[in-house]
Amino acid sequence: GQNIDQPTEMTATEGAIVQINCTYQTSGFNGLFWYQQHAGEAPTFLSYNVLDGLEEKGRFSSFLSRSKGYSYLLLKELQMKDSASYLCASMDSNYQLIWGAGTKLIIKP
Amino acid sequence: GAVVSQHPSWVICKSGTSVKIECRSLDFQATTMFWYRQFPKQSLMLMATSNEGSKATYEQGVEKDKFLINHASLTLSTLTVTSAHPEDSSFYICSARGRREGIYEQYFGPGTRLTVT
Repeated sequence: GQNIDQPTEMTATEGAIVQINCTYQTSGFNGLFWYQQHAGEAPTFLSYNVLDGLEEKGRFSSFLSRSKGYSYLLLKELQMKDSASYLCASMDSNYQLIWGAGTKLIIKP
Repeated sequence: GAVVSQHPSWVICKSGTSVKIECRSLDFQATTMFWYRQFPKQSLMLMATSNEGSKATYEQGVEKDKFLINHASLTLSTLTVTSAHPEDSSFYICSARGRREGIYEQYFGPGTRLTVT
């Protein structure tokens, strides 16, 4: 079956670094997406990885290892506004997104 | 990133009435559009997938006669909630997928909060 696993909740301190892990098992693979969703709002696109390695985009970076079925989202210099849910999604062979349940990130001062 | 608009952003309707939600991709051609529903503190739930010019494919448990989806063009899809009931109150989010420079991308609209009284 298809499955995406990510932690339910994480807590970090303002100014620190946090890494949110995601493992996936899908029928085929056409890329790994990360989205940010604030409470009451729709998800917003953060990153897309289809090749192994690290993609850096400002304070956010995303890593992919296809052989391990593993990705992580790295957030640096955390700000209070980064408190949100972070959704990991794998695109399968039919180009459908298979969603994880999301990781709620709580930032403390 | 691409822009997907959704209208209305919120709507309150009486039980038994119908509500139409529009989803538009503003700067790319969306060959496929997805409709999701999200209840408070829960994950996104895919309701249906529609390809331009074709009938929508509904997920198990989603009533196709109740949630009418039309994907008339590469930039517009509509979801009509027919004979709405209070249990249909939810956050409805559309997502548009298209191909740019050989890569599939998927972007979300801002969502429509539906309250049925």
